[in-house]
Amino acid sequence: DQQVKQNSPSLSVQEGRISILNCDYTNSMFDYFLWYKKYPAEGPTFLISISSIKDKNEDGRFTVFLNKSAKHLSLHIVPSQPGDSAVYFCAASGSNDYKLSFGAGTTVTVRA
Amino acid sequence: EAQVTQNPRYLITVTGKKLTVTCSQNMNHEYMSWYRQDPGLGLRQIYYSMNVEVTDKGDVPEGYKVSRKEKRNFPLILESPSPNQTSLYFCASGTSHYNEQFFGPGTRLTVL
Repeated sequence: DQQVKQNSPSLSVQEGRISILNCDYTNSMFDYFLWYKKYPAEGPTFLISISSIKDKNEDGRFTVFLNKSAKHLSLHIVPSQPGDSAVYFCAASGSNDYKLSFGAGTTVTVRA
Repeated sequence: EAQVTQNPRYLITVTGKKLTVTCSQNMNHEYMSWYRQDPGLGLRQIYYSMNVEVTDKGDVPEGYKVSRKEKRNFPLILESPSPNQTSLYFCASGTSHYNEQFFGPGTRLTVL
């Protein structure tokens, strides 16, 4: 049973507009959350993270929001660029558990 | 160059023929882990290691073995591969399970 869920398999957005990717989790012991980006034929690469003591973390065009009460986080990409077309994975872990759980991924396509 | 390497990158084998996929990192990371990526399921953790000689099961450990005799190496062993182990495998390393993970390029395994 997956503890991290990305319910939107795909997202199409126009270049320059905002991309919003969503992620839900079920394990209330998770306190670290990360987003990874993956291009075809490559390994995932780290994008941005947030710990449960914060509700927002920003890095350039990327912002992650965490809503602990709803067990929900989102990744905002503004503005979206063609190079952002990739698969995005949400991941979560707990400080008392050495496992790392990933979601199924969301494929983002940025249209020119 | 800081990197995680995996070998082989592609492997086609037959049911029951033991195989090993090697993983090596040059960043002196303590945490290493193996994942498999399957359509619709995202990345699922197979095994992880917190340090030398310390390993534990992830979410899908059945049919796999690992060892961590040296800090830099974390091989994945399939003693008797079966067709349901046909997948894309990634090795990753990081300073801890809740920090950024660096992924290898992946190993595409087909078991006939």
